[in-house]
Amino acid sequence: GAVVSQHPSRVICKSGTSVKIECRSLDFQATTMFWYRQFPKKSLMLMATSNEGSKATYEQGVEKDKFLINHASLTLSTLTVTSAHPEDSSFYICSAKTGPSGGELFFGEGSRLTVL
Amino acid sequence: GQSLEQPSEVTAVEGAIVQINCTYQTSGFYGLSWYQQHDGGAPTFLSYNALDGLEETGRFSSFLSRSDSYGYLLLQELQMKDSASYFCAVGYGQNFVFGPGTRLSVLP
Repeated sequence: GAVVSQHPSRVICKSGTSVKIECRSLDFQATTMFWYRQFPKKSLMLMATSNEGSKATYEQGVEKDKFLINHASLTLSTLTVTSAHPEDSSFYICSAKTGPSGGELFFGEGSRLTVL
Repeated sequence: GQSLEQPSEVTAVEGAIVQINCTYQTSGFYGLSWYQQHDGGAPTFLSYNALDGLEETGRFSSFLSRSDSYGYLLLQELQMKDSASYFCAVGYGQNFVFGPGTRLSVLP
């Protein structure tokens, strides 16, 4: 199956700093990637859809200026949490599809962000 | 909008069969997927139904009834390693919406 790699897996930062999370499709080209946020024992909440070469589409209630998404190439999307605060602490997961149709999403390993 | 419902918890013993149901209300429905997620890990794909009927993949099977907006995941010959959270997800457009998840506990 397709492989999606996410880095870093864990990050601890101070309040007010910015953190960048990378999501790479290793063996396929992903024109679309998705960023999810997950709280403990909760479901995956879609934050935004990242489209290569264009602006991301954010879900309602997600702050565009706080969660910057860049999809500069067909294999890389980045999520930057700007001016992080403790309430931004969460598990962030990226995913991608290999094609426009079908029901399979390939997920990265996830990044656990802790803001002190 | 999109909404999905799943039981929050299910408990079963090793070797048993368990069924996890999912009902949904969506617009622009393309198909129903199932994912498994162990604590601390990322979701992994289990199965996908675009059409009505049963899809079988080893010990896991998934069923969809579009007319009833209902599907289920069937796990047979349960093993301890099957203890995890299971999410149904609806595809619409290019996006996916995940259900609240069902936490399965397999007891010895």
